[in-house]
Amino acid sequence: DQQVKQNSPSLSVQEGRISILNCDYTNSMFDYFLWYKKYPAEGPTFLISISSIKDKNEDGRFTVFLNKSAKHLSLHIVPSQPGDSAVYFCAASALGGSNYKLTFGKGTLLTVNP
Amino acid sequence: GEEVAQTPKHLVRGEGQKAKLYCAPIKGHSYVFWYQQVLKNEFKFLISFQNENVFDETGMPKERFSAKCLPNSPCSLEIQATKLEDSAVYFCASSRDRGDTQYFGPGTRLTVL
Repeated sequence: DQQVKQNSPSLSVQEGRISILNCDYTNSMFDYFLWYKKYPAEGPTFLISISSIKDKNEDGRFTVFLNKSAKHLSLHIVPSQPGDSAVYFCAASALGGSNYKLTFGKGTLLTVNP
Repeated sequence: GEEVAQTPKHLVRGEGQKAKLYCAPIKGHSYVFWYQQVLKNEFKFLISFQNENVFDETGMPKERFSAKCLPNSPCSLEIQATKLEDSAVYFCASSRDRGDTQYFGPGTRLTVL
């Protein structure tokens, strides 16, 4: 039972364009969402997060949008840079239910072409 | 330290041998989480600690896995009698408080032959 789904295993975009990575979840108890970036042979690096009381959070080139009714979130990277090429993981937790463990999606490999 | 440290980076064990992995959380962080990444991209939660106390162990295979976080020592994850399916990358993460962002270490790759 996959509670966090990233349906696109890979995404390829041109440098300077927008990258949009999508994530869906099924557990309505999830109220805190994070995006991590991962390079091979390294640990996940925290990028940006959003609480369920918001629908948007922005940090520089990264913006996360949350649509609670659709149980969907997306990460926008604009403009995309070659250094953004990595695997991006969506993760969720249920802080309100005192459950602090992260449930991860299976990741999306982003390739930004120069 | 400012980063989560994990040792060793790689660990190779024969089936049935013991494996012990270590994690030093970021200084000032009270929570430690262990995750197992198998099949390249699938993360599985194992156990979490609040300081030296087990907070949530719902993901731990209780038979062969154990973990500790003792004062003034790195946390440890021990696997007794390793099996082939234990081959994975084990990540440790720490957070300042229970609902805060979790910061991950570089992982330990365990290979069971």
